[in-house]
Amino acid sequence: QLQLQESGPGLVKPSETLSLTCSVSGGSVSSSSSYWGWVRQPPGKGLEWIGSVHYSGSTYYNPSLKSRVTVSADTSSNQFSLKLSSVTAADTAVYYCARTAYYFRVVIIGFEFWGQGSLVTVSS
Amino acid sequence: DIQMTQSPSSLSASVGDRVTITCQASEDISKYLNWYQQKPGKAPKLLIYDASNLATGVPSRFSGSGYGTDFTFTISSLQPEDIATYYCQQYDDLLLIAFGQGTRLDIK
Repeated sequence: QLQLQESGPGLVKPSETLSLTCSVSGGSVSSSSSYWGWVRQPPGKGLEWIGSVHYSGSTYYNPSLKSRVTVSADTSSNQFSLKLSSVTAADTAVYYCARTAYYFRVVIIGFEFWGQGSLVTVSS
Repeated sequence: DIQMTQSPSSLSASVGDRVTITCQASEDISKYLNWYQQKPGKAPKLLIYDASNLATGVPSRFSGSGYGTDFTFTISSLQPEDIATYYCQQYDDLLLIAFGQGTRLDIK
């Protein structure tokens, strides 16, 4: 069974870069039928897609965050990561890593597998 | 960017009721619309993909319909364990993703 686990600092200072890693087990980041993504949720608010990556190196970003976001995949360690620069208090959220669904040999751009989430607080 | 309008933002219903949530896209998104359930403190769970297909292990009381700009999510007979927040999510040909604002569902 595929499992995803986020890791990284729980506290980041304003203007610094938030860095999170998602470790994948029970599956491979190198799978051609998978896209790996990051979704965040500010406390008490809704879901916001941040960005996604395919092992081939293709990346896809939320236009509202694109200038500050980098998502990358490391096939050697079976992980993928998120970097969000110049953070402010508005970036305080639970950050989830996730994998797209795959049905009947078709990639569905919807997230079927999720990590448990990692709370990141931006504060000095 | 494609905008998603999800309604209502909150909903109260009784056990056994039929519950409907709608999601409207600002432009034609074909069938590219998914629905999620999120319970407090938990990650979202994919329920419906591509507008009308049930994800693995999802009870048949959940269903989805629609195409183009207007989509509907239905619970045919509300159960106590269905209390959660529900989100629609669209994607486009560029694989860009957007979530609806969410519908909080509780028991009347």
